[in-house]
Amino acid sequence: ETGVTQTPRHLVMGMTNKKSLKCEQHLGHNAMYWYKQSAKKPLELMFVYNFKEQTENNSVPSRFSPECPNSSHLFLHLHTLQPEDSALYLCASSQDPGQARDTQYFGPGTRLTVL
Amino acid sequence: GENVEQHPSTLSVQEGDSAVIKCTYSDSASNYFPWYKQELGKRPQLIIDIRSNVGEKKDQRIAVTLNKTAKHFSLHITETQPEDSAVYFCAAIPWTGNQFYFGTGTSLTVIP
Repeated sequence: ETGVTQTPRHLVMGMTNKKSLKCEQHLGHNAMYWYKQSAKKPLELMFVYNFKEQTENNSVPSRFSPECPNSSHLFLHLHTLQPEDSALYLCASSQDPGQARDTQYFGPGTRLTVL
Repeated sequence: GENVEQHPSTLSVQEGDSAVIKCTYSDSASNYFPWYKQELGKRPQLIIDIRSNVGEKKDQRIAVTLNKTAKHFSLHITETQPEDSAVYFCAAIPWTGNQFYFGTGTSLTVIP
């Protein structure tokens, strides 16, 4: 599937590094999301962007910094992460922001390991 | 906010048997309930969903039922096959928002 792509697929970084995760959607959607998926936990919504504007920030630490330059691209900038931040980071997109019945399409995720 | 609970966390069934996964939610304003399947190492994918004005929906071997009064909805898989083995997530979405509240997931194993 090429609807929602994410790079890199795997990332290992030290606690002092700075890296960025990239998400791109080719579906013409208007909303994009970042989720964190840890073992044995629900999917945790981190950020929501509607028409490039951030509408949700679920108490995410400032060491995670999102950027949405346009409706097709979403970045997650990482700096001074902690080992507990190791997880699968999933990007998703949906067509109509604010529509409760809107379906979300997920990217393949970036498996992040913080040493 | 919404709170979604999902049970069981793990489920093993023999091939050909049925599997049932149940979710409960707390916010009566939720009116959209999708189910996602995530195979090992792959992304979550929508397999079926139900709106609050419908009590049951079927798609081949998969069905979802919704009880709005009791605030619970269930996924039913009949005639299970090994390729049904995956983690299944339910979600509830309030009418007023675009935030998905996910359950903790159920790891289903179908034993050949």
